[in-house]
Amino acid sequence: QVQLQQWGAGLLKPSETLSLTCAVYGGSFNNYFWNWIRQPPGKGLEWIGEITHSGTTNYNPSLKNRVTISVDTSKNQFSLKLTSVTAADTAVYYCARGRDYEYWGQGTLVTVSS
Amino acid sequence: QAGLTQPPSVSKALRQTATLTCTGNSNNVGYQGATWLQQHQGHPPKVLFYRNLNRPSGISERFSASRSGNTASLTITGLQPEDEADYYCSTWDISLSAQVFGGGTKLTVL
Repeated sequence: QVQLQQWGAGLLKPSETLSLTCAVYGGSFNNYFWNWIRQPPGKGLEWIGEITHSGTTNYNPSLKNRVTISVDTSKNQFSLKLTSVTAADTAVYYCARGRDYEYWGQGTLVTVSS
Repeated sequence: QAGLTQPPSVSKALRQTATLTCTGNSNNVGYQGATWLQQHQGHPPKVLFYRNLNRPSGISERFSASRSGNTASLTITGLQPEDEADYYCSTWDISLSAQVFGGGTKLTVL
């Protein structure tokens, strides 16, 4: 049984840095891409980026300048940092396994407000 | 970021058949098909079909997927009230080196 559990700050001020972590329980950590995806309130899904266990990353070109995804293989965790947030970054953020998104975290609502 | 194209909404009667489409290009859907996701309000998405058209265990056989050229399709037969949800397609775009999503289709079961 694969489970993804995510956590991080839910309320940020403009210009702060969003930071989320996703822990993976069960299954292999080494054989997949690990994704971050977000969903603004009432809107569709947006891919943020992905990382492998070896640290290879790919990012959404529209967010690339502000995003860093990192991995800690000793803990089977991967993390997201998004700098200089604005209200437009308010969304539910999800972590997910693989390019077919077989498993998802529970989601974290991140609100950016002054 | 260039995305995939899905109709914003589809409405069908109970027990009827709905076909949802996802149109891309030769760099994404035409290259490796599309993953289909279902999302009920307030919940994370759930995968219905992988890009290789395989259905995960536990997904009803009322759901089927196909691809023709640059368009992927999801067909739901015998529509039930619980099928009312948002449906998304997604795949890897080799020209962008990025995953892309469709805008989603809201399926209403009348």
